[in-house]
Amino acid sequence: KQEVTQIPAALSVPEGENLVLNCSFTDSAIYNLQWFRQDPGKGLTSLLLIQSSQREQTSGRLNASLDKSSGRSTLYIAASQPGDSATYLCAVLDRGSTLGRLYFGRGTQLTVWP
Amino acid sequence: GAVVSQHPSRVICKSGTSVKIECRSLDFQATTMFWYRQFPKQSLMLMATSNEGSKATYEQGVEKDKFLINHASLTLSTLTVTSAHPEDSSFYICSARVVVMWGQANYGYTFGSGTRLTVV
Repeated sequence: KQEVTQIPAALSVPEGENLVLNCSFTDSAIYNLQWFRQDPGKGLTSLLLIQSSQREQTSGRLNASLDKSSGRSTLYIAASQPGDSATYLCAVLDRGSTLGRLYFGRGTQLTVWP
Repeated sequence: GAVVSQHPSRVICKSGTSVKIECRSLDFQATTMFWYRQFPKQSLMLMATSNEGSKATYEQGVEKDKFLINHASLTLSTLTVTSAHPEDSSFYICSARVVVMWGQANYGYTFGSGTRLTVV
């Protein structure tokens, strides 16, 4: 069974810092990996989706990388801002699932203070 | 982009009553919807997967008779919590699968805004 782990569980940094959030998964047979943002009491907002054949994706200040063979992904946030404060979740779409379900990590709770 | 509208955002109900949560895909057809439950400071727990026109597939440990899922059309899926009790209080989120690469089984997912259920 696919297991997804995110480190660290929580992170608190001053505004302006560059950040790295880590995600690892146990089974490399995936279709893609997706990073989401969740604000308190809200649903999930998709940030980046990396196909299994890709190495990275970029959107604005966000850059996500994927090393499928080692089962790792990182989300890099440049020049962090207080508005980036949220919980960040990574999820993999597993090739072994006939239903196409996502497997989620527990998330990294990020706080960026002014 | 693909948008899923989820209602209500918050609901408070009395113990023993039933509550219906709706998720609609606004600008695309959602053949598959996923229903999640989230406890405070925890990740999402998949409850069930529904396909339009067929019965939902429930995860192990999820009571089918308590959490009724209906996916009668390509744009609407509903979750009904029957005979709700305080332990059913939680955050419920739906998700729809969106095709991101034609010709391959490769999908992205879009989520509703969630429903906070409180049973008193």
